[in-house]
Amino acid sequence: DAGITQSPRHKVTETGTPVTLRCHQTENHRYMYWYRQDPGHGLRLIHYSYGVKDTDKGEVSDGYSVSRSKTEDFLLTLESATSSQTSVYFCAIGDLGQGDEQYFGPGTRLTVT
Amino acid sequence: GESVGLHLPTLSVQEGDNSIINCAYSNSASDYFIWYKQESGKGPQFIIDIRSNMDKRQGQRVTVLLNKTVKHLSLQIAATQPGDSAVYFCAENLFSGGYNKLIFGAGTRLAVHP
Repeated sequence: DAGITQSPRHKVTETGTPVTLRCHQTENHRYMYWYRQDPGHGLRLIHYSYGVKDTDKGEVSDGYSVSRSKTEDFLLTLESATSSQTSVYFCAIGDLGQGDEQYFGPGTRLTVT
Repeated sequence: GESVGLHLPTLSVQEGDNSIINCAYSNSASDYFIWYKQESGKGPQFIIDIRSNMDKRQGQRVTVLLNKTVKHLSLQIAATQPGDSAVYFCAENLFSGGYNKLIFGAGTRLAVHP
């Protein structure tokens, strides 16, 4: 998985609780991304980062926030989890932004009950 | 493992046959395309890419064809093997909303039978 790890790999949480997912890379790539994958929707971009402390929204950013305090770590936070956020979350990294190939982590399965 | 999708279109092929997976993309302004392979329980894995100024690109056992006239992309896998069984996604790059973004298709499941 191109030097990308995600933690936790599986999580079950209750509605209304905060959740933080972590993505860690050892490749020193500039860009990092968070996607969610749902049946029938493919992969959808939540947020992305183009450098330390530089982040921006994707197409499905409502209910999510991110932080990137160092090159290797990109955190995704659900401030108050809802059942609609039950999904598989993938982190990806790349060098040149969206218009170039991205490498994906193994994914985190999140279930909100 | 993580479930990619329960109702994806499925292509079933015999081991050793050639496979062709098709993808229709949505925007004529898209300038870059990627094919990804996703095995059960894993993240998408890059297979091959193509820029919009090309019609064809070949890799190891894989070929991507781009037809911009009809906005169609295909992935050809030669001598399909059981290890090729997976879900395959195409993605198009589009500059929209002030940034480049990849738009992913829903995927096609490839099932290889011995």
